[in-house]
Amino acid sequence: SQTIHQWPATLVQPVGSPLSLECTVEGTSNPNLYWYRQAAGRGLQLLFYSVGIGQISSEVPQNLSASRPQDRQFILSSKKLLLSDSGFYLCAWSDLYPTTDTQYFGPGTRLTVL
Amino acid sequence: KQEVTQIPAALSVPEGENLVLNCSFTDSAIYNLQWFRQDPGKGLTSLLLIQSSQREQTSGRLNASLDKSSGRSTLYIAASQPGDSATYLCAVPPGANNLFFGTGTRLTVIP
Repeated sequence: SQTIHQWPATLVQPVGSPLSLECTVEGTSNPNLYWYRQAAGRGLQLLFYSVGIGQISSEVPQNLSASRPQDRQFILSSKKLLLSDSGFYLCAWSDLYPTTDTQYFGPGTRLTVL
Repeated sequence: KQEVTQIPAALSVPEGENLVLNCSFTDSAIYNLQWFRQDPGKGLTSLLLIQSSQREQTSGRLNASLDKSSGRSTLYIAASQPGDSATYLCAVPPGANNLFFGTGTRLTVIP
């Protein structure tokens, strides 16, 4: 069966510090991978998605970046965190044709920027 | 641009009651609609996915319906239990690679 992992589970970082959140998927090959953010009191917002190694698409302009160094690994990064980067970050995966298939979500990382 | 709205924003019911959560979307040209639950501080759990060609899907005590022409979906929960307490989100894909989420309905089932 497929599983999706995210770490760390929680993170408190000062403004201006770097960020690296990791997501890995097991039990599937060539998944589509996604990073979402849920800010306090708001719905989920898609940040990045990837259809393959090294292929990253960004949905919103921001100071975050994403990378996919391996087929089942998706990393969310920032060189300098802003207060507005605080939120709950969710990684998700889906099969090759997401228009007809389910997205499965990881447990999330709660990031607090002070 | 697709807009997804969920009503009510919050709902409290006594244990054992049947309840309905509503989701509406502005662009009816959808491929599918997905319902999730989110427990406090945790990730999303997929509940049901309805393809655009389907009218409803059932899983246990959950039944989701879809009316594309009116831009509506409902999630029916039968015989609610305290363990059903969570935030319920509906989501539709506007394109090939992402989902538009509603803001959710926070459900509290009172023992």
